[in-house]
Amino acid sequence: NAGVMQNPRHLVRRRGQEARLRCSPMKGHSHVYWYRQLPEEGLKFMVYLQKENIIDESGMPKERFSAEFPKEGPSILRIQQVVRGDSAAYFCASSSGTRSFEQYFGPGTRLTVT
Amino acid sequence: EDQVTQSPEALRLQEGESSSLNCSYTVSGLRGLFWYRQDPGKGPEFLFTLYSAGEEKEKERLKATLTKKESFLHITAPKPEDSATYLCAVRKNTGNQFYFGTGTSLTVIP
Repeated sequence: NAGVMQNPRHLVRRRGQEARLRCSPMKGHSHVYWYRQLPEEGLKFMVYLQKENIIDESGMPKERFSAEFPKEGPSILRIQQVVRGDSAAYFCASSSGTRSFEQYFGPGTRLTVT
Repeated sequence: EDQVTQSPEALRLQEGESSSLNCSYTVSGLRGLFWYRQDPGKGPEFLFTLYSAGEEKEKERLKATLTKKESFLHITAPKPEDSATYLCAVRKNTGNQFYFGTGTSLTVIP
């Protein structure tokens, strides 16, 4: 009965490199949300995806950031040409998409840009 | 502007000393209000969903209540293992975003 899985748990990238964060939702869930959490700040919504579709990306920066949730495999949040300001904890949450909208979070990926 | 504000930012309680955490929100059209617990270095853990004013939910020493403007998380006779950051979030009737507060950091002293 695995919960939401994220990997890697910790990721270190130099400025200008690419970061790829993966999220496998709970079994039976087909909705994924990505959030960014900075120290002393709340979780900020980035993007909401269903299988093969981006439903709402209004919280995601227009440049360098992209997300996908393919038919097979995990959801991926991709950050190109990382900058120091991208250092944060990135969480994904999954939902069954039913009326309840309850979200279940993964353990997060802590990205450090050096 | 859609906003979720939690208070206090930090709370220290003696073991057994009951108290309440507050989450006030200003959103147009509430679809649901959610409470989470987050331990250091971990992802938020779902606790409760509340949908309408007057609704209450309970789980062990925690009880969540909802009015038209705010929600309270009541902690009865807390234990040290209740120490964590408690987050609240709201979802509006429109759109897909969840708006999170910055949390209340609770420390329960034995």
